[in-house]
Amino acid sequence: QSVLTQPPSASGTPGQRVSISCSGSHSNIGSNYVYWYQQVTGTAPKLLIYTSNQRTSGVSDRFSESKSGTSASLDISGLRSEDEADYYCAAWDDNLRGPVFGGGTKVTVL
Amino acid sequence: QLQESGPGLVKPSETLSLTCTVSGTLMNYYSWTWIRQPPGKGLEWIGYVSDRGSPTYNPSLKSRVSMSVDAGKNQFSLSLSSVTAADTAVYFCARFLPGTANQDHWGQGKLVIVSS
Repeated sequence: QSVLTQPPSASGTPGQRVSISCSGSHSNIGSNYVYWYQQVTGTAPKLLIYTSNQRTSGVSDRFSESKSGTSASLDISGLRSEDEADYYCAAWDDNLRGPVFGGGTKVTVL
Repeated sequence: QLQESGPGLVKPSETLSLTCTVSGTLMNYYSWTWIRQPPGKGLEWIGYVSDRGSPTYNPSLKSRVSMSVDAGKNQFSLSLSSVTAADTAVYFCARFLPGTANQDHWGQGKLVIVSS
């Protein structure tokens, strides 16, 4: 059972906007930055967004994140076939004194 | 770059041992972490070790985990004792910033199967 809660799946047609939610608690999302990872099947996760909506080098500005209280969301605009992957949210947890992850959301481009 | 190495098959009750070799950067000033992913499941943080060798472990695994760093060899390692089938997973090593969930460079992952 993951500490952060994500929907197991999300989908859209090319060009649509998809939003992935991530729910936590005061000790993680409520007190710390949220990070988003993209994992294509069979590969290692790739850091997508860090420290308040900063994108890592090479990541499209179609990806953006927002946070409110103990929840966050990742938005993918202008959905493309190459966006098909699993997406994980993560945050430092002050109680655990380590990072916690969501269970992952599989994005399908219809 | 990071690269995991070690046995891909471990017997139940034995100890899983993996090494991560770091290239392209010195290990100083960073911490180094292990994360695992059971087949078809999500990511689980195992623990991290500082460049000076000070470890912090996930409480759920703390009694069975040990991590160390050998900066001279640009390597850090993971040992997980008394393994069961539930420890079957892809094990990733990554560079890590403590106090965050920032793992900015990852190894490709090493599948470890626990089976007799």
